[in-house]
Amino acid sequence: EDKVVQSPLSLVVHEGDTVTLNCSYEVTNFRSLLWYKQEKKAPTFLFMLTSSGIEKKSGRLSSILDKKELFSILNITATQTGDSAVYLCAVEPNQGGKLIFGQGTELSVKP
Amino acid sequence: GAVVSQHPSWVICKSGTSVKIECRSLDFQATTMFWYRQFPKQSLMLMATSNEGSKATYEQGVEKDKFLINHASLTLSTLTVTSAHPEDSSFYICSALEGDSNEQYFGPGTRLTVT
Repeated sequence: EDKVVQSPLSLVVHEGDTVTLNCSYEVTNFRSLLWYKQEKKAPTFLFMLTSSGIEKKSGRLSSILDKKELFSILNITATQTGDSAVYLCAVEPNQGGKLIFGQGTELSVKP
Repeated sequence: GAVVSQHPSWVICKSGTSVKIECRSLDFQATTMFWYRQFPKQSLMLMATSNEGSKATYEQGVEKDKFLINHASLTLSTLTVTSAHPEDSSFYICSALEGDSNEQYFGPGTRLTVT
């Protein structure tokens, strides 16, 4: 059965800290891995990763994929209270667009 | 970027009634749309894949007679929760697959409360 597992499930940090969120997966076929940020409403897209070892970066956020070890990490540096959200990892097993989501990591950034 | 809307954004209904949720792609055509359900403190669970002009494909454990999906046009898919019960209370989110880029865009979600 295809599966996506995120850790930790929740995390509390202070502003300025750096955090690393983990996502491991087991899927029969792999097309891409995606990271989303969810704040009360629907998820907003952060990154899509398809190739191993190539870091994607957007401001203070970055992500990398390891297709050999079947995991990805999402890094957030110099965290701000506005980074507080649930971060979701999803894997797209094939070209149909169907996504399998992990449980999410709830990040809380304290001032 | 592409925009997907959902209507209504929230709805309260009585047990036993049916509720229809609309998902529209506003500035692109989507041959494929997805319906997800999210319970509090849980992740998104795919319910079904909706393809324009054909029957939806339901995930294991999702009752197709209870969650009716109609994808009658390239910009609109509807999810009807029939004979709703309190356990159907959840956050329902749709997403649309944009054909040219093959990127998936999420709607803002519909919060359903069944009393």
